[in-house]
Amino acid sequence: AQTVTQSQPEMSVQEAETVTLSCTYDTSESDYYLFWYKQPPSRQMILVIRQEAYKQQNATENRFSVNFQKAAKSFSLKISDSQLGDAAMYFCAYRSEGTEGTGNQFYFGTGTSLTVIP
Amino acid sequence: NAGVTQTPKFHILKIGQSMTLQCTQDMNHNYMYWYRQDPGMGLKLIYYSVGAGITDKGEVPNGYNVSRSTTEDFPLRLELAAPSQTSVYFCASSYFDRGNQPQHFGDGTRLSIL
Repeated sequence: AQTVTQSQPEMSVQEAETVTLSCTYDTSESDYYLFWYKQPPSRQMILVIRQEAYKQQNATENRFSVNFQKAAKSFSLKISDSQLGDAAMYFCAYRSEGTEGTGNQFYFGTGTSLTVIP
Repeated sequence: NAGVTQTPKFHILKIGQSMTLQCTQDMNHNYMYWYRQDPGMGLKLIYYSVGAGITDKGEVPNGYNVSRSTTEDFPLRLELAAPSQTSVYFCASSYFDRGNQPQHFGDGTRLSIL
């Protein structure tokens, strides 16, 4: 099983400031995919951003961007211009390239709880 | 767009009782998954299905059973409920089970076993 580590159980950020959430993973595979999911108090898991390991360019989605360091097995999430609605639990997840039809499960980290201070 | 719908949202069960958590999706996804989320932990895969009639175990299948008679539905059955099964349960689905295809999640079922 792959291991995904989020070493920051809790983080806080002032509204309009920038925050970076850390994620590292352990794998011997060369092809894989990485995801960040957001879980607000409503509990629903919402996809924030995803990254293909074969792509050197870091993914961006509006105010969300990643810093993907393949050699270091690091996949951090940067949230710029933080908003009150960004307050949530954030989960990093790993998926192997795998073979279609075999399930290819996601492996999740333990999450980082982000508080946004007005 | 209903997406993935889970029922019930909350439930309290007595030790030794059984129940079924319902999950249905309207996106015509072949792949469906059941996870549990314990406090302070990430999601752990219980069972998954790659299509109607095909299911397989995930990381933590003990104490659970699943079936997949249709593409839309993927119920999770708890037999002889134990306190260790107190958790939040999430159902998810995806069109493909590889690549950068995300999984789409339901709102979860909070289950307490007393």
